[in-house]
Amino acid sequence: QKEVEQDPGPLSVPEGAIVSLNCTYSNSAFQYFMWYRQYSRKGPELLMYTYSSGNKEDGRFTAQVDKSSKYISLFIRDSQPSDSATYLCAMSANRDDKIIFGKGTRLHILP
Amino acid sequence: DADVTQTPRNRITKTGKRIMLECSQTKGHDRMYWYRQDPGLGLRLIYYSFDVKDINKGEISDGYSVSRQAQAKFSLSLESAIPNQTALYFCATSESWGREQYFGPGTRLTVT
Repeated sequence: QKEVEQDPGPLSVPEGAIVSLNCTYSNSAFQYFMWYRQYSRKGPELLMYTYSSGNKEDGRFTAQVDKSSKYISLFIRDSQPSDSATYLCAMSANRDDKIIFGKGTRLHILP
Repeated sequence: DADVTQTPRNRITKTGKRIMLECSQTKGHDRMYWYRQDPGLGLRLIYYSFDVKDINKGEISDGYSVSRQAQAKFSLSLESAIPNQTALYFCATSESWGREQYFGPGTRLTVT
């Protein structure tokens, strides 16, 4: 079983829809959870960062962590064509442990 | 100015050539990393460095070497490039290993 699994997509949704991106993981020790956004021909940039369980909201973006199910989600409300990118989840057990990245989900927002 | 810069941004080279990719950061972080990204394989760690005197192999270090010239500079070398090293290469830096990493813009390398 891979440590972090993420559906590669592509996921195509119409503009204005709510988008749900997900990752599952196997290591129950993970406590730090991140979402990165990567535009074509660019480096990944940190979008959301959460510690332990619960929700975190930032504008149109909400990150959700369910440690009991080993499942994390990123929700994008009122999706825009500019949200079209690859989204990578990432996680680690503590500040001194290696970050494990998911392989990324390609998202297309259709105008 | 960008926090993490990489040069060159694009490079085409021939099999057997030596090539160096350079990375500089202004974040003031001790930790620096080199990754390669391939379609369907995601980001894979090549080498990482926790400070100027600490260099460690990642999961795919064969065929690569690195040099940490200063806290802010970390270079990746391909001693004898081969076609399956064609990929997108990213440098990153972080305050600590398990915390958020800041990535450079990437180098697109093609080995013919």
